[in-house]
Amino acid sequence: EADIYQTPRYLVIGTGKKITLECSQTMGHDKMYWYQQDPGMELHLIHYSYGVNSTEKGDLSSESTVSRIRTEHFPLTLESARPSHTSQYLCASSESGTGGDNQPQHFGDGTRLSIL
Amino acid sequence: AQSVAQPEDQVNVAEGNPLTVKCTYSVSGNPYLFWYVQYPNRGLQFLLKYITGDNLVKGSYGFEAEFNKSQTSFHLKKPSALVSDSALYFCAVRDKSGGYNKLIFGAGTRLAVHP
Repeated sequence: EADIYQTPRYLVIGTGKKITLECSQTMGHDKMYWYQQDPGMELHLIHYSYGVNSTEKGDLSSESTVSRIRTEHFPLTLESARPSHTSQYLCASSESGTGGDNQPQHFGDGTRLSIL
Repeated sequence: AQSVAQPEDQVNVAEGNPLTVKCTYSVSGNPYLFWYVQYPNRGLQFLLKYITGDNLVKGSYGFEAEFNKSQTSFHLKKPSALVSDSALYFCAVRDKSGGYNKLIFGAGTRLAVHP
């Protein structure tokens, strides 16, 4: 089992609320990622980070923002949630350094977000 | 553009029969290929990868995959399916374009193993 944790697992909340999805890993991985996935559908990369103070936008445009103040922590924030944000959000991490490109990403169990 | 295709939305197989989940890719240079499995309400779990070397790669839970460069394919296989193998399977390729590394995932194939 990979040591990457996401909280909450499920969140149902009203429109306009500020939301933070938590992601933490204990493996010391430099690279971390956020994906958006509608249930049973393909994954879309929305954010990634190569290390502390490094964040980049992914392929799918997202109104969310991320921060990377500590290696182990990569939270995702929605300032004002809307029904269109309803989806599953998956966090992942991977090694860097020599051979890091060959290493798989380790995934958390996701947060299923429903905006009413 | 680099891409991965999983041509089957769903694969149905009887328990005990061999299974194949198909994946084809399009990348420049040598591909780094991965297979993941996703069970309901869970994240993705890594099954196996091909980086270089032997074209037949063995992974977790009895799965294996065959890399075929001429056909640009990386099909996932298992000699004898179990009902517990029923899940969503994703093929992915490492994308090195744009100066950074990321995974490009296929759309996924749902495997249903019937008793």
